[in-house]
Amino acid sequence: AQSVTQLDSHVSVSEGTPVLLRCNYSSSYSPSLFWYVQHPNKGLQLLLKYTSAATLVKGINGFEAEFKKSETSFHLTKPSAHMSDAAEYFCVVSLMDSNYQLIWGAGTKLIIKP
Amino acid sequence: EAGVAQSPRYKIIEKRQSVAFWCNPISGHATLYWYQQILGQGPKLLIQFQNNGVVDDSQLPKDRFSAERLKGVDSTLKIQPAKLEDSAVYLCASSLDPLAGSPDTQYFGPGTRLTVL
Repeated sequence: AQSVTQLDSHVSVSEGTPVLLRCNYSSSYSPSLFWYVQHPNKGLQLLLKYTSAATLVKGINGFEAEFKKSETSFHLTKPSAHMSDAAEYFCVVSLMDSNYQLIWGAGTKLIIKP
Repeated sequence: EAGVAQSPRYKIIEKRQSVAFWCNPISGHATLYWYQQILGQGPKLLIQFQNNGVVDDSQLPKDRFSAERLKGVDSTLKIQPAKLEDSAVYLCASSLDPLAGSPDTQYFGPGTRLTVL
């Protein structure tokens, strides 16, 4: 069965330091993978998506993610955190065999310390 | 391009009352989704429409929840009667047409925060 595991419920970093949000997936097929961000009291916004092209995907606001099939991972990174990055981040798998429905991770709350 | 519109943004009701939420997807998007997001969790799909037909409603509690998209454009989600555990954010999303052969990006509205007292 397809599933998504976000390894950390909370990540706390200082402003200006690198960000790493970890995501592992389980899928019978070559998956499509997404990262969405949700700021407090705001809707979900797509950060980036992987659809079997380049394994390193660049997104908005300086974020990027690398698809590693051998590790079944799709970790999200950013070289330097900004206060405005504080939000909830969701790793998502799209199920090709089920009308492309999305399977959501539980989310990682990113906290930025000044 | 206008995004996904939802109303109301906030709603407070007593248990056993009814409530309705409205969603207008991005123009031209064939697929519309309703999600329930409980605090601290990821969204859970309630129902997926392709134009005015239901693709998947397997996780919709049909004894109390109903949804329609009669003309294949905007949609309404209703809860009757509401329970305390229905307190959540209800998100609407739309995408072009995932059945066209690739997973299209889902675009989300701002959500409706429901509090059931």
